Amino acid sequence: DSGVTQTPKHLITATGQRVTLRCSPRSGDLSVYWYQQSLDQGLQFLIHYYNGEERAKGNILERFSAQQFPDLHSELNLSSLELGDSALYFCASSVASLVDRNEQFFGPGTRLTVL
Amino acid sequence: GENVEQHPSTLSVQEGDSAVIKCTYSDSASNYFPWYKQELGKRPQLIIDIRSNVGEKKDQRIAVTLNKTAKHFSLHITETQPEDSAVYFCASRYGNKLVFGAGTILRVKS
Repeated sequence: DSGVTQTPKHLITATGQRVTLRCSPRSGDLSVYWYQQSLDQGLQFLIHYYNGEERAKGNILERFSAQQFPDLHSELNLSSLELGDSALYFCASSVASLVDRNEQFFGPGTRLTVL
Repeated sequence: GENVEQHPSTLSVQEGDSAVIKCTYSDSASNYFPWYKQELGKRPQLIIDIRSNVGEKKDQRIAVTLNKTAKHFSLHITETQPEDSAVYFCASRYGNKLVFGAGTILRVKS
């Protein structure tokens, strides 16, 4: 157990819908990273927050947004869902704001299925 | 661009043999190159990393080598065991994000 929690574990929804994925970082970690893992695209970085502020963006679609709250948990919002959004979504946390300073600890992931 | 190429995509070895996975990166990658292991149905976990001020780093049966001139780094697993079977991802730091390779499925046959 990495200490990072994600809810829900599984999510099944329909095209066009909106969902929210939640992540709670390890105690003491200020950084939260979101990744999308699909069979054909591997592990793709989406976005990074540090202590409530956005620090880096990857290939995140405009239909997706995220935020980090004062208690440091983070939410990833996915809207106007398409079949191709079906994937495993991981969050990871670390202490520092720079990716090379500390190990990123991954949560168990949320499996999203869009029908 | 921000690109990490990883080879091979699958690798089968006999228990006790060595396994080598190689990744190449593009010019804009900077100083940090981690390797993650993901067992089936589980989360990725960091197994070893290397920074560009060293050429090699070892941790028991695992080693990583970095060739900055050729812009590639490799993971070496010696005396492979069935529990080494997993997907291995390399990554490179670009700015303040990690870009991952496509992954290598390692199967250790007993």
